[in-house]
Amino acid sequence: DVKVTQSSRYLVKRTGEKVFLECVQDMDHENMFWYRQDPGLGLRLIYFSYDVKMKEKGDIPEGYSVSREKKERFSLILESASTNQTSMYLCASRSADSSYEQYFGPGTRLTVT
Amino acid sequence: EDKVVQSPLSLVVHEGDTVTLNCSYEVTNFRSLLWYKQEKKAPTFLFMLTSSGIEKKSGRLSSILDKKELSSILNITATQTGDSAIYLCAVFPPGGGSEKLVFGKGTKLTVNP
Repeated sequence: DVKVTQSSRYLVKRTGEKVFLECVQDMDHENMFWYRQDPGLGLRLIYFSYDVKMKEKGDIPEGYSVSREKKERFSLILESASTNQTSMYLCASRSADSSYEQYFGPGTRLTVT
Repeated sequence: EDKVVQSPLSLVVHEGDTVTLNCSYEVTNFRSLLWYKQEKKAPTFLFMLTSSGIEKKSGRLSSILDKKELSSILNITATQTGDSAIYLCAVFPPGGGSEKLVFGKGTKLTVNP
């Protein structure tokens, strides 16, 4: 059974704090993704990674950075959290072979006060 | 710019009704279209469509792709309250050979008893 896990389901942080969101997949997938989801805006891609230590900016990378030191783990970092980063954050992974199905983690609802 | 447009954005029906959700796309190098269902947490995979005119079916859900019209529909017959969810459409890949899916904003379906 495929699995993508995220470190927290709910998180409350203060403005200016550094925030780490962790994602782990156990399917040996090459590609991993971080999205944020907001009402009326849908899923927006923040960053993705197609290999260890490789990363590419998505559609809304400002205010975020990522780290992929191991194949199974992809971290999203908010260097200095702001209230407009309050959102649902979803991690996903996908194999680089012909299977295009993308598996999602359960999501982290982050509130920045 | 690659884009995926879903309609309607929200829909309220009664149990037993049949619904049709629409997804249209404008992308270069189209390879496949995916449908996901999202309840309270992670989106779960429903269908992947690559060929025009071939219906995919799973229980009361079915979907078909029309490459000429650059669109897909998702049908749900005899709806149940458990079908209440956001239905997401995504297209893979966008132009440039990138590995990222392009998502629509989703259709929020509410099925009332």
